[in-house]
Amino acid sequence: NAGVTQTPKFRILKIGQSMTLQCTQDMNHNYMYWYRQDPGMGLKLIYYSVGAGITDKGEVPNGYNVSRSTTEDFPLRLELAAPSQTSVYFCASKSSPYNEQFFGPGTRLTVL
Amino acid sequence: QQQVKQSPQSLIVQKGGISIINCAYENTAFDYFPWYQQFPGKGPALLIAIRPDVSEKKEGRFTISFNKSAKQFSLHIMDSQPGDSATYFCAANGSGGGNKLTFGTGTQLKVEL
Repeated sequence: NAGVTQTPKFRILKIGQSMTLQCTQDMNHNYMYWYRQDPGMGLKLIYYSVGAGITDKGEVPNGYNVSRSTTEDFPLRLELAAPSQTSVYFCASKSSPYNEQFFGPGTRLTVL
Repeated sequence: QQQVKQSPQSLIVQKGGISIINCAYENTAFDYFPWYQQFPGKGPALLIAIRPDVSEKKEGRFTISFNKSAKQFSLHIMDSQPGDSATYFCAANGSGGGNKLTFGTGTQLKVEL
């Protein structure tokens, strides 16, 4: 199993551009999560999904959108990139009823 | 509003020493308290976790101590090794649907020879 994979690893965007961060898991987990990690701030939840077709906002959803059309994939969309979205983004997944979340390797995004 | 407070922000320990990281939470509905370890350039990985009905859990050199009445928990790393140098995050689970984790701000641990 590859676990949780994320692409791309790095990306530089200009202000106002859009992009999609990809996340795929091959563990048949029903729960998936998107976090952003900023220095000294820990991980903040952006969006999460409890299953295909079901998504909900986390703590910091503004400026982002998600979709969950399949169990495996949970892409994160940035429509109008802003410098405040410069961060490292992590996708995670877990299977109910277990608590452990499995994280991907992250995407480092810079918006200039 | 930060619901999980973590300290210290950074920690330097000599090889063989004990590393101690502390966390405090506010929401009594939290029902699961994990610690994640993160190496540079990698995603966090679960290190050890505890439920609030247990006061201590030990796995090898890693121990969680949990004080429910004080709403505090801590990670102890015994015989710290240079390979333990990483960032450690405490977290708390619960408080609504989605089994969402609320993370502390992280502690950067460096173990010196």
